[in-house]
Amino acid sequence: EIVLTQSPGTLSLSPGERATLSCRASQSVSSSYLAWYQQKPGQAPRLLIYGASSRATGIPDRFSGSGSGTDFTLTISRLEPEDFAVYYCQQYGSSPRWTFGQGTKVEIK
Amino acid sequence: QVQLVESGGGVVQPGGSLRLSCAASGFTFSSYGMHWVRQAPGKGLEWVAFIRYDGSNKYYADSVKGRFTISRDNSKNTLYLQMNSLRAEDTAVYYCAKAMGAGLRYYFDYWGQGTLVTVSS
Repeated sequence: EIVLTQSPGTLSLSPGERATLSCRASQSVSSSYLAWYQQKPGQAPRLLIYGASSRATGIPDRFSGSGSGTDFTLTISRLEPEDFAVYYCQQYGSSPRWTFGQGTKVEIK
Repeated sequence: QVQLVESGGGVVQPGGSLRLSCAASGFTFSSYGMHWVRQAPGKGLEWVAFIRYDGSNKYYADSVKGRFTISRDNSKNTLYLQMNSLRAEDTAVYYCAKAMGAGLRYYFDYWGQGTLVTVSS
């Protein structure tokens, strides 16, 4: 089973700043089958990125994903107030075992 | 628009059973695989089970294998999760999610709002 480790656990930033979230896999994620989700309190997760770098429908272009192999990054170029949330990475290359990272919380500084 | 609405959650005693439902609309349900994902209070996301579009293959997390059964009724556009021998550690919000991708390389493109299952005496 591929284990995903996200860092940092919490990121304290101000609106307008750049956020860089990391997701490291215990073994290579084939063909960049990695997704990112955003979850706000009391809400379901929402798909942001799939295929490591493709934005889902309706996702603003301030969100971008990059990486390959074992190291992946989600970048939010300029934080908006609605971006403060928890973010999860998920791999889907080692199926039928779908695994998530433990999450990174982006909080207002 | 895609809508997924879970129901059936509640409080159940350890060792008890519960059946969750997920009513789907806004897409051709019979053409897509579906997942259940859960989230314990204050914790992260855990994949639970997957069923192919036609119900021909089902996969489970080790933590629920032999106790949970995923199924679907394509004539009713509904996904189910039968949960037996429930334990305290099964307490969580359970989400159904639509699968997107191919050849078991699926991510989750739409999620329901979730239903809370509490296992407690």
